[in-house]
Amino acid sequence: AQSVTQPDIHITVSEGASLELRCNYSYGATPYLFWYVQSPGQGLQLLLKYFSGDTLVQGIKGFEAEFKRSQSSFNLRKPSVHWSDAAEYFCAVYGSNTGKLIFGQGTTLQVKP
Amino acid sequence: EAQVTQNPRYLITVTGKKLTVTCSQNMNHEYMSWYRQDPGLGLRQIYYSMNVEVTDKGDVPEGYKVSRKEKRNFPLILESPSPNQTSLYFCASSFPGQGSPLHFGNGTRLTVT
Repeated sequence: AQSVTQPDIHITVSEGASLELRCNYSYGATPYLFWYVQSPGQGLQLLLKYFSGDTLVQGIKGFEAEFKRSQSSFNLRKPSVHWSDAAEYFCAVYGSNTGKLIFGQGTTLQVKP
Repeated sequence: EAQVTQNPRYLITVTGKKLTVTCSQNMNHEYMSWYRQDPGLGLRQIYYSMNVEVTDKGDVPEGYKVSRKEKRNFPLILESPSPNQTSLYFCASSFPGQGSPLHFGNGTRLTVT
């Protein structure tokens, strides 16, 4: 069955430090993968997506993610975190055989000054 | 400005009192969907619509109804709300196809007492 797991519910990093948010998926074929960010009181905004090709994808706001088929992972990274990056982050997988977009449980990022 | 508009943003009601949450998009999107967001569960799909007069159940449709009489509108109806429907609700829309990112509204926080 199609599923997404974000192992970290809550992460705290210092401003300027690097960030990696983990995402593991379960899907039989090549998935379509997404990262969304939800700022407080807002809807979700697309950060980046992976369909095929280069396994390292660049997104908005300086984020990138790497697709690793062997590990069934699609981790989100940022070299230097800014206080404005504090938000909740969702990984999602689209299954072409199900026609559904499944979201992970979300990871809340707190940024320390 | 391209957007998905939900109303109201906040709603407190009592058990059994019918309510409707409206959703409207101005991007001419065929696909629209409703999600509920609960702590630790991420976003779960309630209903979706591939086009006018076409609606389908998502993962958690019980207790909800939808309609799609016009392309731009996709209201969510709770005929007899119960406390377990207290949640944060999001409407989203996109063009058809797995490559199209979802555009989200800002959410409706519903409390049923």
